[in-house]
Amino acid sequence: NAGVMQNPRHLVRRRGQEARLRCSPVKGHSHVYWYRQLPEEGLKFMVYLQKENIIDESGMPKERFSAEFPKEGPSILRIQQVVRGDSAAYFCASSPRQRTGRYEQYFGPGTRLTVT
Amino acid sequence: GQQLNQSPQSMFIQEGEDVSMNCTSSSIFNTWLWYKQEPGEGPVLLIALYKAGELTSNGRLTAQFGITRKDSFLNISASIPSDVGIYFCAGQDEKLTFGTGTRLTIIP
Repeated sequence: NAGVMQNPRHLVRRRGQEARLRCSPVKGHSHVYWYRQLPEEGLKFMVYLQKENIIDESGMPKERFSAEFPKEGPSILRIQQVVRGDSAAYFCASSPRQRTGRYEQYFGPGTRLTVT
Repeated sequence: GQQLNQSPQSMFIQEGEDVSMNCTSSSIFNTWLWYKQEPGEGPVLLIALYKAGELTSNGRLTAQFGITRKDSFLNISASIPSDVGIYFCAGQDEKLTFGTGTRLTIIP
């Protein structure tokens, strides 16, 4: 059983370029979450998506950041016009929706973005 | 916003010792989770807690969900070298709010 897949694992972008981070959830999971982790810190929530819907984007910066989870294909976190402060590890997590209401989140290995 | 404080920030122990760490929140959560993260990897789920007062074990790991729903502890018995890493607590209300982490180092 494949876990959460993220690619690329490492991404280097110059200031002003665009970064696209991909996440394929665990097979059968319909809920995807994106988190950002700065060095020596815990993970911070960014956005929660279901297929074709953004459920909660309260952690997303208002500008330059967007996320989608299309009906087919992986979830995409897109950062336009990257700045040095965007350098971080970005993690995707997925969860099933169970009748019990128990829906643990399982994380991918992350994408480490470096902006030069 | 919600904050989860973990203590201690770091621990240096010898192999075979028991470890205890805890997490407190300013808010109530209905679910608490404990994760372990190793360098260059994503967090790995260790234990999930759903009921206030619940005590749950997973091998050498034991965790409890506080009665007030605002705290939790994680114990690791008879530590081994592969226990090294950063341990995070997380409160869940749809999204996860992570604690500040406890870095565990085992002294040879």
